[in-house]
Amino acid sequence: RKEVEQDPGPFNVPEGATVAFNCTYSNSASQSFFWYRQDCRKEPKLLMSVYSSGNEDGRFTAQLNRASQYISLLIRDSKLSDSATYLCVVNGGTYNNNDMRFGAGTRLTVKP
Amino acid sequence: EPEVTQTPSHQVTQMGQEVILRCVPISNHLYFYWYRQILGQKVEFLVSFYNNEISEKSEIFDDQFSVERPDGSNFTLKIRSTKLEDSAMYFCASSESRTALGDEQFFGPGTRLTVL
Repeated sequence: RKEVEQDPGPFNVPEGATVAFNCTYSNSASQSFFWYRQDCRKEPKLLMSVYSSGNEDGRFTAQLNRASQYISLLIRDSKLSDSATYLCVVNGGTYNNNDMRFGAGTRLTVKP
Repeated sequence: EPEVTQTPSHQVTQMGQEVILRCVPISNHLYFYWYRQILGQKVEFLVSFYNNEISEKSEIFDDQFSVERPDGSNFTLKIRSTKLEDSAMYFCASSESRTALGDEQFFGPGTRLTVL
């Protein structure tokens, strides 16, 4: 089983649509969870951290289910500028593990 | 806004040559990292560095690789004898505290390494 698994997409949606991405991770000891965004040939940039209680930042909502080892990202009212690859990221799993394990990413294209 | 910087943006080298990739992490950050991303593939962890020593490394980070913090601002990745398969984008990142505690890692713009 891959450490971090995502549906690669691509997701092609019209402006204004709601789109959801899912991610599963294999290491039950992982403690920190993130969604990063990566534009073509650019560095990953943090979109949001993911907390057990779920968290929202404007049009973006992230959920974590530790029991199922599952993370989700919901984007409401999609904008053209949301077009990017969304990376699910978890830390290595112990207190000393600061390494991050990346999923392969889900590609989103928002069309006019 | 403080940012991680990397030089050069693109490095072309011949197979077997040594390369040094340079990074300047954000100034008050204590943890430093190198990742690589082969074209079309996922971002892969190489190494983390704290308190002037390696704290974790992946199976990719073999004896061909080394890291150093030669002064108070730079953080370098050396590849001793490059192979064709080392061609990738190399990202440096830094964080103020432990990612295990939820702290964000900030990434530099990357160095594209091409091995011919």
